[in-house]
Amino acid sequence: DAKTTQPPSMDCAEGRAANLPCNHSTISGNEYVYWYRQIHSQGPQYIIHGLKNNETNEMASLIITEDRKSSTLILPHATLRDTAVYYCIVRRAGGTSYGKLTFGQGTILTVHP
Amino acid sequence: GAVVSQHPSWVICKSGTSVKIECRSLDFQATTMFWYRQFPKQSLMLMATSNEGSKATYEQGVEKDKFLINHASLTLSTLTVTSAHPEDSSFYICSARDRLLAGATFYEQYFGPGTRLTVT
Repeated sequence: DAKTTQPPSMDCAEGRAANLPCNHSTISGNEYVYWYRQIHSQGPQYIIHGLKNNETNEMASLIITEDRKSSTLILPHATLRDTAVYYCIVRRAGGTSYGKLTFGQGTILTVHP
Repeated sequence: GAVVSQHPSWVICKSGTSVKIECRSLDFQATTMFWYRQFPKQSLMLMATSNEGSKATYEQGVEKDKFLINHASLTLSTLTVTSAHPEDSSFYICSARDRLLAGATFYEQYFGPGTRLTVT
């Protein structure tokens, strides 16, 4: 599975949009981009995923560049409860590693009042 | 969404004893469950993949005789840390893959709340 690069930390003001970047320059055609987050001392929580089209759900939006080498997770109106570590994971569908998620160091997002 | 529970949420044990951690999928059947370990200020590291009715597959560097995994039913997997030592103190997290989505290109993997193990 392709490796991802994320900034170690980011800050955001409450109520503003939080834009979290992720580089995955070695991504291959059948690999998806997943985002999870982990609030302190809890298990990870699924946020969103995508292949090549932009995606939106009730939690966030995912913008994937046309060449698929990078993506941005957008939390449109960040709240204090969004303070967490955000993980960008790239993995392929199917195959012998079906189901395995490889977590990198992620981005620590701190939302300030 | 689907719920995965872990028990206990935290445990303190003495060095040399064994500790069992349970992972349950509460409202779905999980043919596959995963066990992760997370040390302070570090990311999650996959320890093993547990398939119902078969032996677990361990990641490189994880001692299978020390971390015993049993997945006897579609809703329960257990991780037993045998002869625990202080260096085994960590946050153990399980996740479960929804059986209903197996075979699809996208599946949801639901994570438990984690178990904090402290070995004294």
